[in-house]
Amino acid sequence: EDKVVQSPLSLVVHEGDTVTLNCSYEVTNFRSLLWYKQEKKAPTFLFMLTSSGIEKKSGRLSSILDKKELFSILNITATQTGDSAVYLCAYTNSNSGYALNFGKGTSLLVTP
Amino acid sequence: GAGVSQTPSNKVTEKGKYVELRCDPISGHTALYWYRQSLGQGPEFLIYFQGTGAADDSGLPNDRFFAVRPEGSVSTLKIQRTERGDSAVYLCASSRSGGSSTDTQYFGPGTRLTVL
Repeated sequence: EDKVVQSPLSLVVHEGDTVTLNCSYEVTNFRSLLWYKQEKKAPTFLFMLTSSGIEKKSGRLSSILDKKELFSILNITATQTGDSAVYLCAYTNSNSGYALNFGKGTSLLVTP
Repeated sequence: GAGVSQTPSNKVTEKGKYVELRCDPISGHTALYWYRQSLGQGPEFLIYFQGTGAADDSGLPNDRFFAVRPEGSVSTLKIQRTERGDSAVYLCASSRSGGSSTDTQYFGPGTRLTVL
């Protein structure tokens, strides 16, 4: 059965810390892995990683995809209280290339 | 509008009632998706529209759930004979063209449905 597993489920850090969130996947006919940030309700898009783009960076956030070991990490440096959110990882595959299949998420709390 | 909008933001209903949830996608986006998110879980795919037609409704849990998009823009998710287990946040997303794993989906703020 195709799936993504996120770890840890929750995390509390102090402002300024660096955090690493993990998403391991077992997916047949894999196409892409995506990261979303969810504050309150609407998930907002962060990164998409595919076989042709395994490393992405935007400001303090970066992500890599390890196609051999089948995992992705989301790294946040110099965390701020505004980074507090649930971070969702999702995959797509060729079976249903448009549907996003999400993990349970990692709840991150950044304390002042 | 600038983003995906959904109405109402909150809906409380009684078991057995009928509800409609509305989604306004980003202007010009041809693809529209509905997801359902239960507490402590990630969003779960329900249905995907390409234009006016439902290209994939395999995620709808049963025949009490139905969705339409008559003019290829606004979509309505309809739930008949609601059950307490239908309580969740219903999220709508749209993308420019759809049908591709590289087409970014943009989500609305969702409708929180509570069935008493």
